[in-house]
Parts: sequence; C-alpha cells; structure tokens
Amino acid sequence: NAGVMQNPRHLVRRRGQEARLRCSPMKGHSHVYWYRQLPEEGLKFMVYLQKENIIDESGMPKERFSAEFPKEGPSILRIQQVVRGDSAAYFCASSQNGQGFTDTQYFGPGTRLTVL
Amino acid sequence: AQTVTQSQPEMSVQEAETVTLSCTYDTSESDYYLFWYKQPPSRQMILVIRQEAYKQQNATENRFSVNFQKAAKSFSLKISDSQLGDAAMYFCAYRSLYSGGGADGLTFGKGTHLIIQP
Repeated sequence: NAGVMQNPRHLVRRRGQEARLRCSPMKGHSHVYWYRQLPEEGLKFMVYLQKENIIDESGMPKERFSAEFPKEGPSILRIQQVVRGDSAAYFCASSQNGQGFTDTQYFGPGTRLTVL
Repeated sequence: AQTVTQSQPEMSVQEAETVTLSCTYDTSESDYYLFWYKQPPSRQMILVIRQEAYKQQNATENRFSVNFQKAAKSFSLKISDSQLGDAAMYFCAYRSLYSGGGADGLTFGKGTHLIIQP
C-alpha cells in the first residue's frame, strides 16, 4: 500500500517564478493537508482540502499561495512569484476521514523548495 | 489558539538506555488528540504514537510509551532500550476535535533533537 507521495522532492526556482508542488494521498484517503516547515522549526498548518473543496485555508498566506484538490489527480500547492522567504520544506499529509480517531494524518516525504 | 511547547531543543542518551522527551500544551478544549512524530535525517515525518485525551490509559507502541497527564497538560514520550535508528527530531503535535479556523491541522512543537551515543 503506497504511502503519501509528493513530487518533486527538490525544487529550485528563481525569484518571480512559479512553484507547483504535487501530492497524491494514500489509497483510500480523501483528506489532504499542506504544511510548511521553516529551518529549525516545527511544521505549520497551511490548508485542508477534500476533493474539489477547500475546507480550511486559515494558514495560507493571503497572496501568491493557492491550493486545489481536483476530482481526478493529485492535490496541487501553487506559489506564484516566489520570494526567498518561500524557501522551506512543504509537507503534504492525508487522512482517511476528517474526524474521529481514524483521522491520523500520514505524511509524505516533503518537497524542499529553494528560491534563488 | 492552542500552543505546543517542547522545552528540550536537544537530548542525548546512550544506546540501550531510556530517555524521556517532554511536551506541554495549552488548550481550553476538553477533548483532543495528541501525537508524537519522528523526523529522521531523510525528513520524512513518521507517526510514533498517538493518544486520545479522553483515554486515561497511556498509549504504548513497542519501545515507545507516553505519560499523559491531562490536568497538567503534559504529554511526554519515553523511549526504552534506545537504538541508533531512534536518532531523529521528535515533534509533539496537538489536534482539536473541532473544524475550521486552523483546527483541522496539527499544531506542532519546535521539536527535540535526539542523539543516540553508541
């Protein structure tokens, strides 16, 4: 049973470019969460999505960041016009349900974004 | 908003010995979930153990166990018979039962770097 998959694992962008990070949840999971980890910090929640719905985006920066989880295909975290401060590791997690004990979130390996 | 505090930036233990990592949290909620995740140098986040707040019995997974003190809002992780493969960053995390306003996500502490001395 494949775990959460993220690609690319490493992404290098120049300032002003766009970054697209992809996440495929575990089989049977319909809930996706995105987190950002700055150096020497814990993970910070960004957004929670179900298929075709953004449920909670209270952790997302108001500008340049967007996320989607289409009916078909992976979830996408999109960062437009990247700046050096966007350099971080971005983790995706998935869960089977949104509530209850089965809500344990399982994490992907992360995408390390470097902005030059 | 909930906060999670890990007061030990780094801990060191001899192989085969026991080590305890501390975690405290602040919340006004009466029911919630608590987790310990491990992040080895590969940076993959791996679930170590989980606890529901309404359960008084402490969770145990092989060599890993927790000491959950609800009144004190404390959730420490004990690793017995430490092995070299246990070396990693350990993060304590909190999750609310509620939804919205960021509650769906996990709230993480800053982590404790565990070093295993051979």
